[in-house]
Amino acid sequence: QQQVKQSPQSLIVQKGGISIINCAYENTAFDYFPWYQQFPGKGPALLIAIRPDVSEKKEGRFTISFNKSAKQFSLHIMDSQPGDSATYFCAPGGFQKLVFGTGTRLLVSP
Amino acid sequence: GAGVSQSPSNKVTEKGKDVELRCDPISGHTALYWYRQSLGQGLEFLIYFQGNSAPDKSGLPSDRFSAERTGGSVSTLTIQRTQQEDSAVYLCASSLQTDTEAFFGQGTRLTVV
Repeated sequence: QQQVKQSPQSLIVQKGGISIINCAYENTAFDYFPWYQQFPGKGPALLIAIRPDVSEKKEGRFTISFNKSAKQFSLHIMDSQPGDSATYFCAPGGFQKLVFGTGTRLLVSP
Repeated sequence: GAGVSQSPSNKVTEKGKDVELRCDPISGHTALYWYRQSLGQGLEFLIYFQGNSAPDKSGLPSDRFSAERTGGSVSTLTIQRTQQEDSAVYLCASSLQTDTEAFFGQGTRLTVV
């Protein structure tokens, strides 16, 4: 069964703080680990993704950390801004379809 | 168009009626997904098409739901005898392969009254 568990369900962070969202998966065949960002009224859009040959990838304020042995990957948002307030989904994939997590609602307070 | 296009953007229908939702994926994308999202909730997987393979229908909630993808391009999601619990935003996404970025459409907001 391709289960994907995302935590926390919701998160409130002060402006300038660090937001951390975690994703645990079961299928060891996954080889693509993305995070999607969704604003109200819009479809999700790719934020950042990592392949299993590296343990960390950084793009601006966004970092993915990947732990293959633990079957987990996480999203870190540094210097969180009110504009980062959105719902975030992990969606590991591979030979078979992408499997979306249940989502994390992030609110960055001014 | 450059992105995934869904139509209609909004649909209000009476309980018991059938509805058809359309998705035009990005040209050349072999993978196509349908998801459902209720207000403030996560993404509920419905169905997945990959090339010429048999679709993965494991997420369809009942036999009132069906989908087809003609010529490996446009997809139609059909809901028969709509119920109020079918009210949600239906999102379509396509990707070049199963391990590459999925591009989402803006969704169809379905309201069953």
